[in-house]
Amino acid sequence: EIVLTQSPGTLSLSPGERATLSCRASQSISSSHLAWYQQKPGQAPRLLIYGASSRATGIPDRFSGSGSGTDFTLTISRLEPEDFAVYYCQQFGSSPLTFGGGTKVEIK
Amino acid sequence: QVQLVQSGAEVKKPGASVKVSCKASGYAFTAYFVHWVRQAPGQGLEWMGWINPNSGGTNYAQKFQGRVTMTSDTSISTAYMELSRLTSDDTAVYYCARIVLFSPAVWFDPWGQGTLVTVSS
Repeated sequence: EIVLTQSPGTLSLSPGERATLSCRASQSISSSHLAWYQQKPGQAPRLLIYGASSRATGIPDRFSGSGSGTDFTLTISRLEPEDFAVYYCQQFGSSPLTFGGGTKVEIK
Repeated sequence: QVQLVQSGAEVKKPGASVKVSCKASGYAFTAYFVHWVRQAPGQGLEWMGWINPNSGGTNYAQKFQGRVTMTSDTSISTAYMELSRLTSDDTAVYYCARIVLFSPAVWFDPWGQGTLVTVSS
């Protein structure tokens, strides 16, 4: 099983600041098989990034993804009030599909 | 628009079973696998397995083998997830999600709104 470790667990930032979220895999995965989701309280996860770096339809360009192999990053260039949420990475490289433990981006 | 709509919240006693439905609209139901994911209160996301609505084929996470059954009814574009021998540890929000393969990339989109299953005596 591929374990995804997200860090930090919580990120305390102010609106307008830059957020950098990390997702590290226990073994190498194809960048095509790495996705990022945003989840707000009481809501289902929403697709942000697929293929490690491709933005989903309707996702603002302040969200960007990068990385390869075992290290992946989600960057939010300038935090808007609606961006404060929990973010999960997910791998499709092998079964069982797994998610990272999540990073909560909270208002400082 | 592409949408997955799930059934409502359930309260079950320990040892009982629960069956959650997921109705698809806006796309060809048999063309995409449906996956199930759960989230315990305050916790992360846990993948449970998938069903191929076209063939009825399934693949379950080892943790749920023997306790979960995923089915589908193509006539009403609906997938089902049944979990048996419930315990308090099964209290969670259960999500269905469509998997999209746009080779070589893969992702879940959309997700259902979630169904809260509470197991309590």
